[in-house]
Amino acid sequence: GQQLNQSPQSMFIQEGEDVSMNCTSSSIFNTWLWYKQDPGEGPVLLIALYKAGELTSNGRLTAQFGITRKDSFLNISASIPSDVGIYFCAGSNTGNQFYFGTGTSLTVIP
Amino acid sequence: NAGVTQTPKFQVLKTGQSMTLQCAQDMNHNSMYWYRQDPGMGLRLIYYSASEGTTDKGEVPNGYNVSRLNKREFSLRLESAAPSQTSVYFCASSEAYEQYFGPGTRLTVT
Repeated sequence: GQQLNQSPQSMFIQEGEDVSMNCTSSSIFNTWLWYKQDPGEGPVLLIALYKAGELTSNGRLTAQFGITRKDSFLNISASIPSDVGIYFCAGSNTGNQFYFGTGTSLTVIP
Repeated sequence: NAGVTQTPKFQVLKTGQSMTLQCAQDMNHNSMYWYRQDPGMGLRLIYYSASEGTTDKGEVPNGYNVSRLNKREFSLRLESAAPSQTSVYFCASSEAYEQYFGPGTRLTVT
C-alpha cells in the first residue's frame, strides 16, 4: 500500500509555543487531510486541502498542500493544553481509498 | 444527531470464534468505511462501501467480511478470529472527502 511518513513521531513543547509537523508520500495525492485523535476516541477532521499549493487555516491551525502533491504540512500556533493528542495526515485520490500516516504525538507542557 | 456509532466498545474473543462489529451513521452519507488501527501503524482501510449495495476491498481485507445492510448501517464480520486481528476498529462515513469516525471497538483475540 501507499506509505505516508509523518515527522516528527513525537513532540514535547511548552504551552504557548508554535508547532510544525509534516507528512510525505512516495505517491501524489489529489487531496490531503489532517486529523486529530484524542485518547480512546476516533480521529476528528481538522483541515482538508484540495489543491496543490493551497494554504488553509482553521483557528490556530494552518495546513498547506505541498506543490509537488507528495507532501503536506500542519502548523499550530500558540499551543494550549487541549492541543494534546495524535495528529494524522491522510491522502486520497478517489474519495474512497484513504491512506493514513503513522501519526505525530503532541504533548503540551503547561 | 449521534454521528457515527459503533458497538460493542470492547470485546475479547478466543482464537477461532466469530463476531460482528456494528456501525451506524445518521448523517445520510453514501460512503462508509472500516479501518483498523495498530500501534505505530496509523489507520489501515479494511473495506469500504461507496453506496448502499456495494462493497470493495481496502488495503487489509483478509480475514474480514462486510455487509452494507442499508444506507445507515455497515457491519464488519470476523468469521474465525486470529490473534493478529487484535486491534482497535474504527468505522467512518463520508460525503466526498471529509470522513467522520466512530468511537472505535477495542478487540482482543487470545
